[in-house]
Amino acid sequence: DGGITQSPKYLFRKEGQNVTLSCEQNLNHDAMYWYRQDPGQGLRLIYYSQIVNDFQKGDIAEGYSVSREKKESFPLTVTSAQKNPTAFYLCASSSLTGLYTEAFFGQGTRLTVV
Amino acid sequence: RKEVEQDPGPFNVPEGATVAFNCTYSNSASQSFFWYRQDCRKEPKLLMSVYSSGNEDGRFTAQLNRASQYISLLIRDSKLSDSATYLCVVNKAGGTSYGKLTFGQGTILTVHP
Repeated sequence: DGGITQSPKYLFRKEGQNVTLSCEQNLNHDAMYWYRQDPGQGLRLIYYSQIVNDFQKGDIAEGYSVSREKKESFPLTVTSAQKNPTAFYLCASSSLTGLYTEAFFGQGTRLTVV
Repeated sequence: RKEVEQDPGPFNVPEGATVAFNCTYSNSASQSFFWYRQDCRKEPKLLMSVYSSGNEDGRFTAQLNRASQYISLLIRDSKLSDSATYLCVVNKAGGTSYGKLTFGQGTILTVHP
């Protein structure tokens, strides 16, 4: 089935550790996005990528890093520099051309720092 | 000014009521507009795209006003199952433009018996 897959669904991290969240899509979408959502809040853009080997910072990129080596994959690393990493992380993808540019989301990763 | 702004609510309405949400956007180059629905602790899912001429899908009607840079969502005959957070989304992409997908902070709707 076509879709976007995030893993793991739940992740626990010790303070000072880096962790990487996986996001894979088989929708042949050019654009991919990472958002962070805190309880009772909206989605805030961390990073986005419109093409392989290129990405741009969103509104809250500090303490995060990404790579886009393949069109299908856009992993997010939460580094130890991120002061408050506990949150719900959502990955999305979308087409950039034509009429249908809506985003499709993965099921999200809940990250908890212990 | 935020790129996309919504009234966060919450909106508490009885079953059968009509409720309307508005959303304003700041970037006049925006090309595509959507309403998403997010249930508690779940990922957002597309409710409907918003077309220039306005569009309707059952009990839901979306409108776009480019001159004033706002979009709206009208829900008629509210059901208990409509209780969720509604997210306004703006994308600069479309045609041959690369873009950035920006979400509003969401409007919480609770429909009660």
